[in-house]
Amino acid sequence: DSGVTQTPKHLITATGQRVTLRCSPRSGDLSVYWYQQSLDQGLQFLIHYYNGEERAKGNILERFSAQQFPDLHSELNLSSLELGDSALYFCASSVEQGYNSPLHFGNGTRLTVT
Amino acid sequence: DQQVKQNSPSLSVQEGRISILNCDYTNSMFDYFLWYKKYPAEGPTFLISISSIKDKNEDGRFTVFLNKSAKHLSLHIVPSQPGDSAVYFCAASIFGNEKLTFGTGTRLTIIP
Repeated sequence: DSGVTQTPKHLITATGQRVTLRCSPRSGDLSVYWYQQSLDQGLQFLIHYYNGEERAKGNILERFSAQQFPDLHSELNLSSLELGDSALYFCASSVEQGYNSPLHFGNGTRLTVT
Repeated sequence: DQQVKQNSPSLSVQEGRISILNCDYTNSMFDYFLWYKKYPAEGPTFLISISSIKDKNEDGRFTVFLNKSAKHLSLHIVPSQPGDSAVYFCAASIFGNEKLTFGTGTRLTIIP
């Protein structure tokens, strides 16, 4: 158990809809990262928050947004969903910024868009 | 543009033998490399890392080798155990940059 909690585990929705994925980091971790893993692909970096502030953006679509709240949990909002958004979405946390502090991943949310 | 490549989608190794997983990268700015292990229905778990100032890092049965001139790293698992059966991801980063770039993974199967 990594200590990172992601909800829901599975989500099935229709094209054009909007969903929210939730992540609770490990206790004491200030950094939260979101990654997307499509079929047979590596994990693609989406966005990083540190202590409530956005620190870095990767290949995140304009239809996607995220935030980190004062209690350090984070939400990833996906809107106007398309079939191609079907993927595993992982949240990870670490104590510090940067990668000398290894990331601890949650078990992911599997999103299926029909 | 796949900057981190794991060219072997799968690998089968007999229990007790050495498993060698390979990873190539194209961006010479990468200076920190990590290996993650992933079981089905779980998130990736950090395994071992290496900084570009080193060419080897060892942790128990796991050793990572870095060849900067060849832009190549490898993970050695000795001896391989059934519990090592998983997908292994190689990842790389640039100091000061928050983005961690992952390879597509290699599925390792240990044969009892």
